Amino acid sequence: SQQGEEDPQALSIQEGENATMNCSYKTSINNLQWYRQNSGRGLVHLILIRSNEREKHSGRLRVTLDTSKKSSSLLITASRAADTASYFCATDGVGGTSYGKLTFGQGTILTVHP
Amino acid sequence: KAGVTQTPRYLIKTRGQQVTLSCSPISGHRSVSWYQQTPGQGLQFLFEYFSETQRNKGNFPGRFSGRQFSNSRSEMNVSTLELGDSALYLCASRLLAGAGEQFFGPGTRLTVL
Repeated sequence: SQQGEEDPQALSIQEGENATMNCSYKTSINNLQWYRQNSGRGLVHLILIRSNEREKHSGRLRVTLDTSKKSSSLLITASRAADTASYFCATDGVGGTSYGKLTFGQGTILTVHP
Repeated sequence: KAGVTQTPRYLIKTRGQQVTLSCSPISGHRSVSWYQQTPGQGLQFLFEYFSETQRNKGNFPGRFSGRQFSNSRSEMNVSTLELGDSALYLCASRLLAGAGEQFFGPGTRLTVL
């Protein structure tokens, strides 16, 4: 079963617009990672944010983490058609049965129209 | 540095057969994890190996097994295949067990007929 939920399930925007995806999770985490997947291929690692960080940037990506609300958001600025993909958040659990295990959300399907 | 590689990329098997999938991690990475992705269940953790030892296992039947070799390469095996085992199997590696960025390979698409 999935740890969390991603919102929205699908997002359709025009090139140049910003895209925001949200992720919620249920248990304590060491870190949260965001991935992109194109058409059932492998996952591409985008960014990792640790539990003691609140915000992180990488190029056109901005990730926030609110551990009190157990939620994270991924913002992609100035979207391009090439950003069309599924985006997943994954939490790295603290210990016990969560050790070493990434737990994924259901993903957000982003479509960027040229 | 080369990424995570998986072989084969595509596989077609029939029910009752067994299959072995192979994964080579990024050079220097000692942790290898396996995940199953299906449209219905999404991405689910199978197991993680570090230093040839299984460190954690997901909620899958005993038909799913794996191992890691001294060079960190890993294999997973599925015996007595069922139709529901059709999925994309993804391997991921990271430097150490249980922490840090996890990088994924392109996956093996398994179809069970």
